Amino acid sequence: NAGVTQTPKFRVLKTGQSMTLLCAQDMNHEYMYWYRQDPGMGLRLIHYSVGEGTTAKGEVPDGYNVSRLKKQNFLLGLESAAPSQTSVYFCASSYPGQSDQPQHFGDGTRLSIL
Amino acid sequence: EDQVTQSPEALRLQEGESSSLNCSYTVSGLRGLFWYRQDPGKGPEFLFTLYSAGEEKEKERLKATLTKKESFLHITAPKPEDSATYLCAVQPNMEYGNKLVFGAGTILRVKS
Repeated sequence: NAGVTQTPKFRVLKTGQSMTLLCAQDMNHEYMYWYRQDPGMGLRLIHYSVGEGTTAKGEVPDGYNVSRLKKQNFLLGLESAAPSQTSVYFCASSYPGQSDQPQHFGDGTRLSIL
Repeated sequence: EDQVTQSPEALRLQEGESSSLNCSYTVSGLRGLFWYRQDPGKGPEFLFTLYSAGEEKEKERLKATLTKKESFLHITAPKPEDSATYLCAVQPNMEYGNKLVFGAGTILRVKS
């Protein structure tokens, strides 16, 4: 019962470096999401996808890019990391259409930008 | 603008001391309100979905209720294992991609 798996779990970067966060789900969900969680601010949506090959911007998309080449994978990229991107990043997935299908979350990637 | 406010920010209870967490929301139209539990170092875990005012759902010591402006998560006779952060989120009507708007959460600590 893997559900949503995020890799890596922890990472420290220097300002200006790039990296990619990987999210994989084995529930055959159409929809996938990337959030960031900062103290006192709750979860904020970065980007999301409603199907393979599609992506859309969320609330805080600047400085991030995403790709959904396969239905089960959703990648989040930081092209030039900044200290303001220090956060915990969560991936989630869900079935489309009906709201009684909740979003299922991974356990997060803790990212520090020095 | 869709908005969710949770109170209190933190709550400390003695084991067995019942209480309630509040989630106030403003949304153009509500498709659903979600409650999640989040343990330290983990992702949010789904608890309940509520759809319309007057609806209630229960799970063990937790009961969620919904009005037109707020939701309450009632915790009856809590145990230390109920300690976690509780998150509330709303899904607006006609929201493309089933996106959620989250509150900042309530940190609950239950002492034995």
